[in-house]
Amino acid sequence: NAGVTQTPKFQVLKTGQSMTLQCAQDMNHNSMYWYRQDPGMGLRLIYYSASEGTTDKGEVPNGYNVSRLNKREFSLRLESAAPSQTSVYFCASSEPETYGYTFGSGTRLTVV
Amino acid sequence: DQQVKQNSPSLSVQEGRISILNCDYTNSMFDYFLWYKKYPAEGPTFLISISSIKDKNEDGRFTVFLNKSAKHLSLHIVPSQPGDSAVYFCAASRGYGGATNKLIFGTGTLLAVQP
Repeated sequence: NAGVTQTPKFQVLKTGQSMTLQCAQDMNHNSMYWYRQDPGMGLRLIYYSASEGTTDKGEVPNGYNVSRLNKREFSLRLESAAPSQTSVYFCASSEPETYGYTFGSGTRLTVV
Repeated sequence: DQQVKQNSPSLSVQEGRISILNCDYTNSMFDYFLWYKKYPAEGPTFLISISSIKDKNEDGRFTVFLNKSAKHLSLHIVPSQPGDSAVYFCAASRGYGGATNKLIFGTGTLLAVQP
């Protein structure tokens, strides 16, 4: 009953470093999403993937790239981290027939 | 441009009383609305939803009301319990949150239920 699994749970990066946030779901969902949560800003969509092999930009895509590796996995990459990317990142998955998304427990990223 | 707004960052109520959380939206194309609940260090979890063809949906202690003319929805929790203390996010979509119908979230309201 894992649902959506995100790794790592915590990460500290120096400005300019790169890293990849991993997300995997075991519910056979077609759609996957990356959101970031910031104080006073709520949850904002970074990128999403309607199905394996497709990705699209969300509200705040600048500074990020994504890869839908297969149906289960959707990764988020920061090529050159900036302090403005300090945030909590959530991955989610869904099917159109279900109500809403299933979220992972988040990755807390700090860029210093 | 915030399409989904929750103007109250926080709300405090006594145990057993009613909690009312409010949400406003600007996009008239939204036709499906959801509430999510989030505890610290966890991801948001789905709570209740409503389609634009309805004006009320009830699930146990939770009721969501939709006023399309005012572009306003509210979540009522009766009676409130200390375990309800969490951040509540309102979200809106064109459809059932599928890949082409992305969820747009509000900024959240922190509910504190005092014993």
